[in-house]
Amino acid sequence: AQTVTQSQPEMSVQEAETVTLSCTYDTSESNYYLFWYKQPPSRQMILVIRQEAYKQQNATENRFSVNFQKAAKSFSLKISDSQLGDTAMYFCAFMRVGHSERTGTASKLTFGTGTRLQVTL
Amino acid sequence: DTEVTQTPKHLVMGMTNKKSLKCEQHMGHRAMYWYKQKAKKPPELMFVYSYEKLSINESVPSRFSPECPNSSLLNLHLHALQPEDSALYLCASSQDPVVLDTQYFGPGTRLTVL
Repeated sequence: AQTVTQSQPEMSVQEAETVTLSCTYDTSESNYYLFWYKQPPSRQMILVIRQEAYKQQNATENRFSVNFQKAAKSFSLKISDSQLGDTAMYFCAFMRVGHSERTGTASKLTFGTGTRLQVTL
Repeated sequence: DTEVTQTPKHLVMGMTNKKSLKCEQHMGHRAMYWYKQKAKKPPELMFVYSYEKLSINESVPSRFSPECPNSSLLNLHLHALQPEDSALYLCASSQDPVVLDTQYFGPGTRLTVL
């Protein structure tokens, strides 16, 4: 079974500073995706960034970038120039395609427990 | 456009009521998902519909009954719920259920069972 671990329940960063959120995962799969989702107080789950396991290059989306270390099974998120609007719960998630005679085939997301990020003035 | 809509935003119901949650997407996605999220916890998968057929049921109680009338709509029928079923119910969709692809989430329905 896949597990996703986020070891930082809460973090705080000052506006305009840089912060890194940690995530590790455990899998025997060779083909998978990794995601960071953001969930602000409004509760909408918003995709931040996606990394395909077969790609060596780290994904970037504007102020958000990842450090993907496949051998170490590590997938950290770096937020540069933090903004007040970045305040949210951040979930790391692992996706694989599951196959089961009983339940069929579908991609499945496994989430970590989340890191609550507070951006302060 | 990566929009998934959910109605209602909030729902309060008694344990004897029957209600339904609705989810809609117009992205041409062929997989739709229901998740349950308790406060300060990650979402937990409940159901997966793949090409309008129930593909995965993560051992959810029968008081939750999903329905996928067409590829754009996903309903969750609720009957005889318990107070512990109070949670945020999230719908998501992805383009193809059998390949690795991004799931896009709706804003959720916050359900309170009295």
